[in-house]
Amino acid sequence: QSALAQPRSVSGSPGQSVTISCSGTSSDVGKYEYVSWYQQHPGTAPKLLIYDVTQRPSGVPDRFSGSKSGNTASLTISGLQAEDEGDYYCCSHAGISYVFGTGTTVTVL
Amino acid sequence: QVQLQESGPGLVKPSETLSLTCIVSGGSISSRSHFWAWIRQPPGKGLEWIGSINYSGRTYYNPSLRGRVTLSVDTSKNQLSLRVMSVTATDSAVYFCSREDEGSSRRDWGQGTLVTVSS
Repeated sequence: QSALAQPRSVSGSPGQSVTISCSGTSSDVGKYEYVSWYQQHPGTAPKLLIYDVTQRPSGVPDRFSGSKSGNTASLTISGLQAEDEGDYYCCSHAGISYVFGTGTTVTVL
Repeated sequence: QVQLQESGPGLVKPSETLSLTCIVSGGSISSRSHFWAWIRQPPGKGLEWIGSINYSGRTYYNPSLRGRVTLSVDTSKNQLSLRVMSVTATDSAVYFCSREDEGSSRRDWGQGTLVTVSS
């Protein structure tokens, strides 16, 4: 199984919106409503932002939203803030396994 | 709230077996609503799902690692274990223990433990 494709980096100014794409196949992202998104800062464990494509755990700001169309999932960060800088990973169920995305570094200009 | 704590040797020699344990607190490893997984991240690289196991021992493994990896659970100690055989430098990574919700993509994470493969 191949890693899901994400852009290497995205950037935006404070207050702007950025969207991170996560491209898979009809065997993972396109087949299951089990896509999740994680934020990771250096030296720490990933933090769950979105699960089941669109669901936000309690405590995650509503600035973070998820969606999916076909074989591509997306994470949108609205009203970008300095603390949103970090690495972001998508993850999809793939039948009897899970596959992660290649990761995207978000930079706040 | 479940807490996951990984432990094991930080240094393993090439060709040997890497063994890690994860102690679960604030939740039962016998839960029928969860799977328990291992995920790793080589230094400076992305995340890789290794495999998962449930309370009854049903396991799923990453096809790329199948044959070298074994997951197990010890319900009496409320812990899960990972063994990776015949390690090479490419197995050097931070290894995370994780709880997966069955029927959902929700996931809780441990803080991770760094394992370096070197002679």
